[in-house]
Amino acid sequence: QLQLVQSGAELMRPGSSVKVSCQTSGGPFGNYGISWVRQAPGQGLEWMGAIIPLFGKPMYAQKFQGRVTITADQSTKTAYLELSSLRSDDTALYYCARNKRVANIKGALDYWGQGTLVAVSS
Amino acid sequence: QSVLAQQPSASGTPGQTVTISCSGGSSNIASNSVSWYQQLPGTAPRLVISNNNQRPSGVPDRFSGSKSGTSASLAISGLQSEDEADYYCASWDDSLSVWAFGGGTKLTVL
Repeated sequence: QLQLVQSGAELMRPGSSVKVSCQTSGGPFGNYGISWVRQAPGQGLEWMGAIIPLFGKPMYAQKFQGRVTITADQSTKTAYLELSSLRSDDTALYYCARNKRVANIKGALDYWGQGTLVAVSS
Repeated sequence: QSVLAQQPSASGTPGQTVTISCSGGSSNIASNSVSWYQQLPGTAPRLVISNNNQRPSGVPDRFSGSKSGTSASLAISGLQSEDEADYYCASWDDSLSVWAFGGGTKLTVL
């Protein structure tokens, strides 16, 4: 059974950067997309971007272009999300999730991490 | 404002059938498959329907999905108290090149 385990909660200052990790186990890693989805307190789900580790080239939602970097390390089966120039409205739960279709980020998100709370406050 | 539109709330009594709708457009639902996610309080979302109407292993057959044109729906039959959760629809949007989510529907079991 595939598992995605994310790094712990972060308290960040406005203007700083945060890096969240998502380590997978129990299944293949390189040829499936890993997406990042965030959820602000009491709000809905928002897709930020994705990467297929085998190909290495990430895809980002326009809203986050220039502030987000998604990477993957095939040797450790870990994906990373880095978000820079943090603002208070970036306070949210950040989830990683696997795209279920091989080599295609249009596949539904079938396995999810437990979520990482990023709180931005001065 | 979400790309896909869902009613904010739905409710039903145990044993009833509840339907949650999702409305989109030509660049998302009409062109791509729809998936549905259940989010219980304090937990990560869980995939309950993929490819418009396919149930992943472990999802009860009380959950069913359908799609027609630019709309999709999730039906839950034989409603149970454990079904009380937020439900989100999602579809890839070709124009925006993003996964578009609905705003979510809060299902209450009375």
